[in-house]
Amino acid sequence: GENVEQHPSTLSVQEGDSAVIKCTYSDSASNYFPWYKQELGKGPQLIIDIRSNVGEKKDQRIAVTLNKTAKHFSLHITETQPEDSAVYFCAASNSWGKLQFGAGTQVVVTP
Amino acid sequence: SAVISQKPSRDICQRGTSLTIQCQVDSQVTMMFWYRQQPGQSLTLIATANQGSEATYESGFVIDKFPISRPNLTFSTLTVSNMSPEDSSIYLCSVEVLAGENGDEQFFGPGTRLTVL
Repeated sequence: GENVEQHPSTLSVQEGDSAVIKCTYSDSASNYFPWYKQELGKGPQLIIDIRSNVGEKKDQRIAVTLNKTAKHFSLHITETQPEDSAVYFCAASNSWGKLQFGAGTQVVVTP
Repeated sequence: SAVISQKPSRDICQRGTSLTIQCQVDSQVTMMFWYRQQPGQSLTLIATANQGSEATYESGFVIDKFPISRPNLTFSTLTVSNMSPEDSSIYLCSVEVLAGENGDEQFFGPGTRLTVL
């Protein structure tokens, strides 16, 4: 089955700097890669996703890149703000919505 | 997107008892899922809740422990049976929604925080 690895497990950045989280996947048939943000006491919130037919997608300060050959994808957050502090999860899916999640990255943005 | 609610939001239960968690979505959806998130951990899929048929369970999860109902396209329940402290987790409902020509997206409810004493 699919295996998703996520790094780093924790990431501390100064406000205004960029944050990058990287994930690798094992199943070459995976074609959908969402990213979720989970704040304390809340459910995961879909923030951006990318499908295997594109290499990059941007939404304001957030971007995701996908390298199908290397089987890795990354989340980039620019101009970080304190409200970006949360746990971020990557995931991969190849069929019928069965998402395999990475272990998560605790992002702390310090003012 | 979809608006998903779960009841209860949290509960503290005694070992050996059972708890039923409800998930309600504001629109009809084909796919509904139940996940478990153990303290400080990632999300693990328990089962796919199928409307009109038995749920499809992932490896390590069985119907006797986690019975699931899906009476219609907007509602599902997950029961955690004969609970032990190891069942203390966040239980999350999710739904898959068609996001136009871009394909499907999956959204999560707020979760049910269960503590078993």
